Amino acid sequence: KQEVTQIPAALSVPEGENLVLNCSFTDSAIYNLQWFRQDPGKGLTSLLLIQSSQREQTSGRLNASLDKSSGRSTLYIAASQPGDSATYLCAPRWGGKLIFGQGTELSVKP
Amino acid sequence: DTAVSQTPKYLVTQMGNDKSIKCEQNLGHDTMYWYKQDSKKFLKIMFSYNNKELIINETVPNRFSPKSPDKAHLNLHINSLELGDSAVYFCASSQVQNTDTQYFGPGTRLTVL
Repeated sequence: KQEVTQIPAALSVPEGENLVLNCSFTDSAIYNLQWFRQDPGKGLTSLLLIQSSQREQTSGRLNASLDKSSGRSTLYIAASQPGDSATYLCAPRWGGKLIFGQGTELSVKP
Repeated sequence: DTAVSQTPKYLVTQMGNDKSIKCEQNLGHDTMYWYKQDSKKFLKIMFSYNNKELIINETVPNRFSPKSPDKAHLNLHINSLELGDSAVYFCASSQVQNTDTQYFGPGTRLTVL
């Protein structure tokens, strides 16, 4: 069964810290993996997409890595800001389907 | 310009009623999706259409019927609404089914009383 686990479930950090969000998944036969951000009461915003052949992707202060063989991905956020506060969702794609983790709720305190 | 839009944003209705949610994308994508996010914030795919053809149907009760009149639209009709149908429903689209970024709409919060 294809399952996705995100650790931690919640994280509170002071502004300026670098932080790492973890995602693990069963079944390494993924096409790609997408990281999303969801603000309260809003839709999902795509942050980064890593294809199965890639090891990492970077966008601004965000860096996502993928180790397909071990079923792991991490999202690194540098110099966190209060505006980064949101729920971060990891979603590997098997076939045509994204399977979502439960998310990490991030709070960045000023 | 909104890339993926949904109407209505909120929907409150009684058990047993029939309701529809509409989705439109102006990105020129070939594939569209419906997802359900439950009260515990768990997000799960329901359906996927590619060029108006149903390609994914995830063990969803047949009270739920998606309809794609054209590539840019994917509507969700729900018959005989039940309390457990209360959730946020998200529409999404992507250019290519397996490899491309999925773009999500703002969601429709359905409350069944």
